[in-house]
Amino acid sequence: LAKTTQPISMDSYEGQEVNITCSHNNIATNDYITWYQQFPSQGPRFIIQGYKTKVTNEVASLFIPADRKSSTLSLPRVSLSDTAVYYCLVGHYSGAGSYQLTFGKGTKLSVIP
Amino acid sequence: GAGVSQSPSNKVTEKGKDVELRCDPISGHTALYWYRQRLGQGLEFLIYFQGNSAPDKSGLPSDRFSAERTGESVSTLTIQRTQQEDSAVYLCASSHGTEIYEQYFGPGTRLTVT
Repeated sequence: LAKTTQPISMDSYEGQEVNITCSHNNIATNDYITWYQQFPSQGPRFIIQGYKTKVTNEVASLFIPADRKSSTLSLPRVSLSDTAVYYCLVGHYSGAGSYQLTFGKGTKLSVIP
Repeated sequence: GAGVSQSPSNKVTEKGKDVELRCDPISGHTALYWYRQRLGQGLEFLIYFQGNSAPDKSGLPSDRFSAERTGESVSTLTIQRTQQEDSAVYLCASSHGTEIYEQYFGPGTRLTVT
């Protein structure tokens, strides 16, 4: 199973772009990468998902290099409301309808006014 | 529409008692997941249902833990003979069957074992 490693915390000023990187060195060929956001006392919320190269939606971009051993979540122009914990998830299909879902330990992003 | 709901929101129990946690997924979501999140920690994947079947139960921490799902809807996570190390937030999520990685989470049940 892919083990994921993320920075424990990051600080950023409002209006800046924030990049959070997750390492997943032993990712398997068919594994997908997903990022979630979690506020205190709430369940995580889906942000973005990708397999390779770049994916962009209305809230974030996800960059995955060709070797797929890492991924970077990019949040443009963060605001105070983006203060949260961000998790990367590597999803692995292990056959016979079975999935293994490995979350990173999360990166606590603090946005400073 | 309604999101994933979980009950109870908080549960305090004595060591050795059994507890049952309930999850009501989003209507039409065939996939359902249970996670455990200890204080200040990340999410630990416990089990996944596709329909009423759980193909792999190896993520359950011990044989004191069991889960079932009926009617491709509600799911219950049961912990027998609770121990203090079972104290955590138990999160349930659901998704469309083909969108395994885009999961919708409930607010969780905070379990405290005294």
